[in-house]
Amino acid sequence: GQQLNQSPQSMFIQEGEDVSMNCTSSSIFNTWLWYKQDPGEGPVLLIALYKAGELTSNGRLTAQFGITRKDSFLNISASIPSDVGIYFCAGHSNAGGTSYGKLTFGQGTILTVHP
Amino acid sequence: EAQVTQNPRYLITVTGKKLTVTCSQNMNHEYMSWYRQDPGLGLRQIYYSMNVEVTDKGDVPEGYKVSRKEKRNFPLILESPSPNQTSLYFCASSLEGLAGVSYEQYFGPGTRLTVT
Repeated sequence: GQQLNQSPQSMFIQEGEDVSMNCTSSSIFNTWLWYKQDPGEGPVLLIALYKAGELTSNGRLTAQFGITRKDSFLNISASIPSDVGIYFCAGHSNAGGTSYGKLTFGQGTILTVHP
Repeated sequence: EAQVTQNPRYLITVTGKKLTVTCSQNMNHEYMSWYRQDPGLGLRQIYYSMNVEVTDKGDVPEGYKVSRKEKRNFPLILESPSPNQTSLYFCASSLEGLAGVSYEQYFGPGTRLTVT
């Protein structure tokens, strides 16, 4: 099946720092999403991207749909302790006749913020 | 409150003993899906359902069954659980979007399953 490579696997930062993470694929994706998972809970949608080149913000979060349609980026500005969690990219690709219902997730980025 | 609920939240069982994890949503969503989460592997899709009586395999369907007899419920069935199915399981749902399905999925709280 489709694969998404998410990096970095983990980040340890100081409160107030900016954070960047990305997701890449060997095939074209037509939808990119970014989720956050707090400890002991299910993932929650942060940002959804549907067009190549699209740049979307949600508060201190900004995500971009790469122009090649093979990557996406998530930036968090001025991090705070409650940003701690696992961040997942996810996407859907029509390549190879993939059906509408299939969604592929990256391996996740574990973010730790030191006060 | 709009939500996806799963039961049980925690389950310890033995190899070969059939079990069912229930999933229910109160948002009238057409699309529902099951995922398993394992360290270092992210979330992998097990099965999904585009609507009532319509189900299809995800990336890791082996050893699992599902049914969608009514819109709000999408149970996950393990007929003969094995230790490699020890994992954290999530159910999710979403509306249909312009392309036939919305990928903006709402997730349940998770079910932690241990098979000994």
